[in-house]
Amino acid sequence: QVQLVQSGADVKKPGASVKVSCKASGYTFIGYYLHWVRQAPGQGLEWMGWINPNTGDTNYAQDFQGRVTMTRDTSISTAYMELSSLTSVDTAVYYCARVYRYSSVDVWGQGTTVTVSS
Amino acid sequence: IQLTQSPSSLSASVGDRVTITCRASQGISGYLAWYQQKPGKAPNLLIYAASTLQSGVPSRFSGSGSGTDFTLTITSLQPEDFATYYCQQLNTYPYTFGQGTKLEIK
Repeated sequence: QVQLVQSGADVKKPGASVKVSCKASGYTFIGYYLHWVRQAPGQGLEWMGWINPNTGDTNYAQDFQGRVTMTRDTSISTAYMELSSLTSVDTAVYYCARVYRYSSVDVWGQGTTVTVSS
Repeated sequence: IQLTQSPSSLSASVGDRVTITCRASQGISGYLAWYQQKPGKAPNLLIYAASTLQSGVPSRFSGSGSGTDFTLTITSLQPEDFATYYCQQLNTYPYTFGQGTKLEIK
């Protein structure tokens, strides 16, 4: 079945970087864009950007420009999201999600909890 | 583009019909999706393109609207429908979400 499996929870100190992985299975990895979305504790959803796994092209939300890098390794059907200069406000669950019709997303990873704490 | 959902929370009973509204600060054509999220879980796609029901989603869910005003309607609420609902616009970057509507059991 179509599945996105993300890396495990991580704890980082302020100022550090975190890299979250998202491994796709059950479909052609390069055939679908991937979005990254985050959710702070008790808060709503925040779109971070997308990556085209076929070309590596990316589009980042302005709020994350300069701090986020989305990449992929097609040989292992895995996408990555790296966020740098972390602060406490970056404490959140980070999701990857497959883009479906009209840019909506139909399959989500299980989420990766990133905690930023000194 | 800002999306404003109303109400922010809603209490209803099993069997009720409920409507959630999502208003965009500018026109987004029909590029709107609705998601359901349960605690500790990833969101689940219900509706895309404003009114198209995602495969596998029960027909008691429906969406409508275009331009700036959209609605999600759930007829005959079931126990598993109590969750938080989000709209998302996919017309203009950044792809923003509404703040969510928490649907609780009365």
